[in-house]
Order: sequence, then C-alpha cells, then structure tokens
Amino acid sequence: SQQGEEDPQALSIQEGENATMNCSYKTSINNLQWYRQNSGRGLVHLILIRSNEREKHSGRLRVTLDTSKKSSSLLITASRAADTASYFCATDPLYSSASKIIFGSGTRLSIRP
Amino acid sequence: DGGITQSPKYLFRKEGQNVTLSCEQNLNHDAMYWYRQDPGQGLRLIYYSQIVNDFQKGDIAEGYSVSREKKESFPLTVTSAQKNPTAFYLCASSRGPGQGNQPQHFGDGTRLSIL
Repeated sequence: SQQGEEDPQALSIQEGENATMNCSYKTSINNLQWYRQNSGRGLVHLILIRSNEREKHSGRLRVTLDTSKKSSSLLITASRAADTASYFCATDPLYSSASKIIFGSGTRLSIRP
Repeated sequence: DGGITQSPKYLFRKEGQNVTLSCEQNLNHDAMYWYRQDPGQGLRLIYYSQIVNDFQKGDIAEGYSVSREKKESFPLTVTSAQKNPTAFYLCASSRGPGQGNQPQHFGDGTRLSIL
C-alpha cells in the first residue's frame, strides 16, 4: 500500500538552481522522512520531520510539513551535479503498531552542468 | 565502520530454483526489512522483523521466505513460487519498536535476474 506520492516524477534543472520536490500522503502520521537513492545503490536517509514540526533544515536541505494538507516539500538549494539522484518520502502512519514506514514512488532529479 | 552488507551484488536464478539473498548488519539494530524495487518505482515491503526469532509479512510476501535466527542476519529466500522475481532487492535496518520510527539504514542491494 503506497501512502506517499511525490511530485513531480522527474525534474531537470541547471546546476546552481534550487530544486523543490513535493510529497502528499493520505493518513495521519507520526513523522515523515526523506531519502536519496543514487543509481544502483541503496537509500540514504536525509532528514526526519515529526508531525508537530513545520520546518527543518540540514545543510542545503529544507523540509516543510503541512499536516492539515497532508503534504511535505523538500527544497535543495544551490544544486550540484552530485545531487543527481532519486528522492523518496516515507511516512510513519500514526496508528501503526509496527516499526515500518511506507515509501512513495520517488522524484528523479537530474542536475545539468 | 558500522553498516549493512548485502550479497551477492548480482544473482541469476534458473526456473524452478530457490535462491537466497544475504543481509548482515553490525549496527546492533533490532529491526530489519526486505524491500523489492522495480525499475522507476518506489520500495515495496516484502518482510520485516522487529526482534530475533520473529518476523511479519509485508505487502508482497507471496513467493518469499525469511528467517531471523541472529540479530545481525536476515536472509531472504526467493522461492520458485515467485513467478516474477526480476527486481532490485534492498535490505534495511533500524532501531526497534518502542523508540519511534527511526531512520532506516540500507545496504547497496542485490539485483536478481532470471536466466
């Protein structure tokens, strides 16, 4: 069952520009996480935002969470070629008793030199 | 360095054959997971284990089996009953239940193909 849906599915920008990806989900959550996946590799955790937080920063990353709209956004500022990857949001459902999260289908980000 | 090791990196299965994918972690995590990823898609949960000697089915468990005899190890067997096994398989681990859903740490995957 897929909870999060990322938008857009693919994004191509010039190096140095900012990249914004969005995630919408269906049910109430404890937290939402963003991951990056380089081609042919495993996922790497980027940032976790709890349901009572509205914004969080980590280096060039800025994540926002709007629980009333059931949506989150990931902003990467001053993009670099190394940011080329797929980005996934993952939600921790509020009433889940198990330690599992649900991944969306991802946004493929390409940075043009 | 702490992390998750998956092996082999590439695996080929003949029709009617069972194959086992290895996943080992030295992060002292209680919870471990197996995901399947098809081209251009997100991750789908196959099985997960929150503690040694216990595991639960995920969303697409049919045709797969697991064991969790040791905290460090969570092997996945793709059985001959799985008719479409070609995919990228990812193993992950995290701190156990009762600590909130902590970030998951991933291995670098095993790519399984049919001969």
